[in-house]
Amino acid sequence: GESVGLHLPTLSVQEGDNSIINCAYSNSASDYFIWYKQESGKGPQFIIDIRSNMDKRQGQRVTVLLNKTVKHLSLQIAATQPGDSAVYFCAEKTGNQFYFGTGTSLTVIP
Amino acid sequence: EAQVTQNPRYLITVTGKKLTVTCSQNMNHEYMSWYRQDPGLGLRQIYYSMNVEVTDKGDVPEGYKVSRKEKRNFPLILESPSPNQTSLYFCASTIAGAPLSQQFFGPGTRLTVL
Repeated sequence: GESVGLHLPTLSVQEGDNSIINCAYSNSASDYFIWYKQESGKGPQFIIDIRSNMDKRQGQRVTVLLNKTVKHLSLQIAATQPGDSAVYFCAEKTGNQFYFGTGTSLTVIP
Repeated sequence: EAQVTQNPRYLITVTGKKLTVTCSQNMNHEYMSWYRQDPGLGLRQIYYSMNVEVTDKGDVPEGYKVSRKEKRNFPLILESPSPNQTSLYFCASTIAGAPLSQQFFGPGTRLTVL
């Protein structure tokens, strides 16, 4: 089966600082890598994705970096806000299937 | 409002009593999927459907069934639930065109099997 893991289960940052959430993946055949945000009591919410032939993609306040050499994915959140407090999941898409990591809990300290 | 709805939101049942969790989306999405979420394991895909009458197994399909008779509905069926199926279940949908990654998730169904 797939193996998608995270380096740290929890992360605390000061409001206004940048956050970096990391993820390791195992399947070189995955064609997309995705980040989801899950707030307490809610379903996951899509943040950003990156195709496997890219190494960087930027969104609004977020940047995803993909390093295929070491099979590493990261999500950078600029100027972290209290509303960014949530669990963040990386996922990889292989064919029409998705494999999720175990999540990193981000806490923003006011 | 564009949304994915699930019913029931909470369910406590006993081992062996058949149950169905419904999922419906109003966005005309072709792709629908079921996931279970367990502490320390993240989300795991149970089944997915690319369109009406087309379903495929995900990573953890054992003990579950699905059907896709209509585009908007994708029910999850547990014919004989067991305690190891106690979990938080999410339904999701998206358009079938690449890349499928922008899935819209429902609010979740918390199932307890005694």
